[in-house]
Amino acid sequence: QVQLQESGPGLVKPSQTLSLTCTVSGGSIRSGAYYWSWVRQPAGKGLEWIGRIYINGATNYIPSLKSRVTISIDTSTNRFSLRLSSVTAADTAVYYCARTGTAVTPHFDPWGQGTLVTVSS
Amino acid sequence: QSVLTQPPSVSGAPGQRVTISCSGSSSNIGAGYDVHWYQHLPGTAPKLLIYGDTSRPSGVPDRFSGSKSATSASLAITGLQAEDEADYYCQSYDSSLSGSVFGGGTKLTVL
Repeated sequence: QVQLQESGPGLVKPSQTLSLTCTVSGGSIRSGAYYWSWVRQPAGKGLEWIGRIYINGATNYIPSLKSRVTISIDTSTNRFSLRLSSVTAADTAVYYCARTGTAVTPHFDPWGQGTLVTVSS
Repeated sequence: QSVLTQPPSVSGAPGQRVTISCSGSSSNIGAGYDVHWYQHLPGTAPKLLIYGDTSRPSGVPDRFSGSKSATSASLAITGLQAEDEADYYCQSYDSSLSGSVFGGGTKLTVL
């Protein structure tokens, strides 16, 4: 079955760029049947959808982060990535990647285990 | 402040039935967008529990069920078991934000 795994630095300095990669195994990211998303969870808070990408590179982002977020995809390596610029302590969170349906109201399944990113000097 | 509103916590004894509510508005649940539910144990990947308001993925026990009415949705868990103790999140789509939105999460405690 499809599995996702996040990777990247666990510590990022304020004002720098957070970069994470999600590696998809057990299935091809090129299938075209899904979007691929990033979701985060700040400590003690709920889940927040960040954005998603399709295999053709088309993206959608949450408006509050749109100016700082870039999601990209590399079908040759079965990976997709998240870049969040000008980070502050408010961006400290567990970041998840997830496969996303193409329905009008897509659901997320499966998810990666998540990776904690701390923004601190 | 989450777009979808859930109670912070619910509790129940083993064998009992509990429900978790998810309240939205006319730009999300009330607009007819599907509601999905996830079970999340800290440190693990969230697990899809209910999709499309009422459907269960294979492998999810029929003790879990979903419903929706007007601008709200609910997750019901019957025959409560100790292993059900987790955080539960609802999720939908919001036309004002043009994206997916989650509830703040509900911590279920099995007494």
